[in-house]
Amino acid sequence: GESVGLHLPTLSVQEGDNSIINCAYSNSASDYFIWYKQESGKGPQFIIDIRSNMDKRQGQRVTVLLNKTVKHLSLQIAATQPGDSAVYFCAERGNSGYSTLTFGKGTMLLVSP
Amino acid sequence: GAGVSQTPSNKVTEKGKYVELRCDPISGHTALYWYRQSLGQGPEFLIYFQGTGAADDSGLPNDRFFAVRPEGSVSTLKIQRTERGDSAVYLCASSPDRILGTEAFFGQGTRLTVV
Repeated sequence: GESVGLHLPTLSVQEGDNSIINCAYSNSASDYFIWYKQESGKGPQFIIDIRSNMDKRQGQRVTVLLNKTVKHLSLQIAATQPGDSAVYFCAERGNSGYSTLTFGKGTMLLVSP
Repeated sequence: GAGVSQTPSNKVTEKGKYVELRCDPISGHTALYWYRQSLGQGPEFLIYFQGTGAADDSGLPNDRFFAVRPEGSVSTLKIQRTERGDSAVYLCASSPDRILGTEAFFGQGTRLTVV
């Protein structure tokens, strides 16, 4: 399928390394954040989420950190595998009424065996 | 079904034609979202439904774009007088309840090409 990764910041790592993908979000009133993984030709796939009343949340091999002071979100992937290669997007949701998810620009992660 | 289903997966149309893109959300999900994704960009919000009503259509770029969800399940995104700039992947997502802030599950998208 057609790549969604053109013109995106790229992080290249070796298999087994830990990866950190960063995201600066825009709305200080956002109350919910999600990291999505998108492989070529597919829709975004949920990885992990975090609410604004938390600063860290862990999943399987993944950790999300939230720093509301500087409006920064990061995704840490432990022991990165070739199957982790994809474009990663952070998304934020405002806290008013029917606010929807707003996506960041995305980062392409390339994992070499 | 097990996930969000979008049809067709690919659509090629001529400039000026009318197209309809279909989304079947996960059964029981009340919230449904349409996004558009251009090459190398993140998904861009178009419209959000809560049940049958469009709770937020602020992302629709102009009046050539319209979406419906008449029975609170399947949704159709309609584009009139298509232009080459409409070419993109159109993504649909659903979630159980927006109020709870639960994750949105995405379909594979429909790749629209206007020639």
